[in-house]
Amino acid sequence: DTEVTQTPKHLVMGMTNKKSLKCEQHMGHRAMYWYKQKAKKPPELMFVYSYEKLSINESVPSRFSPECPNSSLLNLHLHALQPEDSALYLCASSQESVSYEQYFGPGTRLTVT
Amino acid sequence: GNSVTQMEGPVTLSEEAFLTINCTYTATGYPSLFWYVQYPGEGLQLLLKATKADDKGSNKGFEATYRKETTSFHLEKGSVQVSDSAVYFCALNTNSGYSTLTFGKGTMLLVSP
Repeated sequence: DTEVTQTPKHLVMGMTNKKSLKCEQHMGHRAMYWYKQKAKKPPELMFVYSYEKLSINESVPSRFSPECPNSSLLNLHLHALQPEDSALYLCASSQESVSYEQYFGPGTRLTVT
Repeated sequence: GNSVTQMEGPVTLSEEAFLTINCTYTATGYPSLFWYVQYPGEGLQLLLKATKADDKGSNKGFEATYRKETTSFHLEKGSVQVSDSAVYFCALNTNSGYSTLTFGKGTMLLVSP
């Protein structure tokens, strides 16, 4: 089973709202990732968790706050977003953070109004 | 640094035509190479991979061979179907440190009946 699940599938939020995106995998993977993808572009890496510890933060604004409660779950907390943050947010996981292929979830389509 | 270059799209083909999408890379060390496919409104799916020179990855009729001498990983399929219409991303991951996926810009494939 190579499934990564994400909820919700779609999210519309105002600029003053607080919301969270959720990601789950049950493959025993020890690395998890958040990506942001704009239309007609490749995914851009935001965060990497390795063994439940944040190992890479690609200079992401503080209005995005990741959390890894355990090895299967990854959250992305959103607060005071801007309209330009509207995008597809993808979660991925891999066996380790080095060299292994990543498996992606279906994504959350976020619209900030 | 690492980089991946893909041919510009869209690539427009008729059903049952032969497909080639070119991909070349620049990397330090010995990268693993991947093709991902993204269908409209979905996340990325791992299509195939190769981890060392002369490896051939294959899946669902698609093939790609890791050519170290030409630093290439071209995607091919002998007979495309309408259902193959999607965006295809070539990517690499180097086998050291907290390495992450480097993506090409993506190539859109449109197959008409």
